[in-house]
Amino acid sequence: DIQMTQSPSSLSASVGDRVTITCRASQNIGSYLNWYQQKPEKAPKLLIYSASGLQSGVPSRFSGSGSGTDFTLTISSLQPEDFATYFCQHSLKTPYTFGQGTKLDVK
Amino acid sequence: EVPLVQSGPEVRKPGESLNISCKGSEYNFITYWIGWVRLMPGKGLEWMGIIYPGDSDTRYSPSFQGRVTISVDKSIRTAYLQLSTLKASDTAMYYCARLKGYGENPYYHYAMDVWGQGTMVTVSS
Repeated sequence: DIQMTQSPSSLSASVGDRVTITCRASQNIGSYLNWYQQKPEKAPKLLIYSASGLQSGVPSRFSGSGSGTDFTLTISSLQPEDFATYFCQHSLKTPYTFGQGTKLDVK
Repeated sequence: EVPLVQSGPEVRKPGESLNISCKGSEYNFITYWIGWVRLMPGKGLEWMGIIYPGDSDTRYSPSFQGRVTISVDKSIRTAYLQLSTLKASDTAMYYCARLKGYGENPYYHYAMDVWGQGTMVTVSS
């Protein structure tokens, strides 16, 4: 199985901050990388597909980049509703494993 | 109408089995893979497996091989997750989700774009 490792595991930030979360794959996955946001008691929400594709309805302050083994999710100007846990996931071949998550909370 | 609706919360004892459902609507159910994912308390998301309703092609995570069965009834647009020999560590929120393919066949990039509301499963003696 392909292992996905996110960093940091937790992050404290303030409204208006620029935030970057990193995801590393254990092997080359090209651009087969997705990002999800999850809030407590809610289902995950797809933010980014194919490493950099912005899912319909997702604010443009979210962006994704990277290819191969190293990827980043950037929130350009943090908003109050962005405090949540973020997961990366590869989709190169099954099982489509997730990273362990990055919890983003208020500084 | 909500695109994916899951069955209600379940409480089971260790050693028992579990069967939860996920009903699709508002889209062409048989042409999208359906996947199952769980979120254990204080842990991350765990990918369990997927099924293609059109031909019931199924893929499982090796972590659950032998304990999990994913099936579908096309006639009622419903996918099922069965998990056997339950343990306390199977206590989790279980989600179904639709997989959308982005890009061009056969090199689709799959992502889970529509999710069910989740089914809470508690395993306790």
